[in-house]
Amino acid sequence: EPEVTQTPSHQVTQMGQEVILRCVPISNHLYFYWYRQILGQKVEFLVSFYNNEISEKSEIFDDQFSVERPDGSNFTLKIRSTKLEDSAMYFCASATGYEQYFGPGTRLTVT
Amino acid sequence: AQTVTQSQPEMSVQEAETVTLSCTYDTSENNYYLFWYKQPPSRQMILVIRQEAYKQQNATENRFSVNFQKAAKSFSLKISDSQLGDTAMYFCAFMKQSPGGKLIFGQGTELSVKP
Repeated sequence: EPEVTQTPSHQVTQMGQEVILRCVPISNHLYFYWYRQILGQKVEFLVSFYNNEISEKSEIFDDQFSVERPDGSNFTLKIRSTKLEDSAMYFCASATGYEQYFGPGTRLTVT
Repeated sequence: AQTVTQSQPEMSVQEAETVTLSCTYDTSENNYYLFWYKQPPSRQMILVIRQEAYKQQNATENRFSVNFQKAAKSFSLKISDSQLGDTAMYFCAFMKQSPGGKLIFGQGTELSVKP
């Protein structure tokens, strides 16, 4: 069964550094998403992406964040200058319509 | 704005028993989708069940079923014959009926199934 994959599974970075989180969505899906879950809290929407552009973004998704689909298969989330409060689990999801399928997540730790 | 509320932070159930997890939501939309996602200790988000708001019939998936009360804006999940593998965090989520729409999650209910 096709699945969403994410790399790396765990990323440790120093405050102020740039990180890129990578996702490979399910191949025939059209809609792509990033969500964030701070430990012990609910899952929060960051951004949605369709037809090579951002469809919607949340208040969390400020100028430090960007997304890209560089080659038709990968979908990346870049954080330009990480802060301590960016430490969280980041989930990628993809969908053809209404059912979103999630990847296993990347745990980002900012020290 | 839409909100999703899960008022039970933790629940426990004996193996083979039935448990119901509660979820309420607030929206002015008439057409939308509701979901339950399971998050085991691995933290993977797994879709359990989906309900379309325009359907009166409650969705079922094997041991999982929902009680969807549109007027009351209530969407509970019933797990029958609970198994140890059902131990997980369960999130209720709302989505407007718009392809590519975002999921809005509740705070989650941590379910423990005891042998």
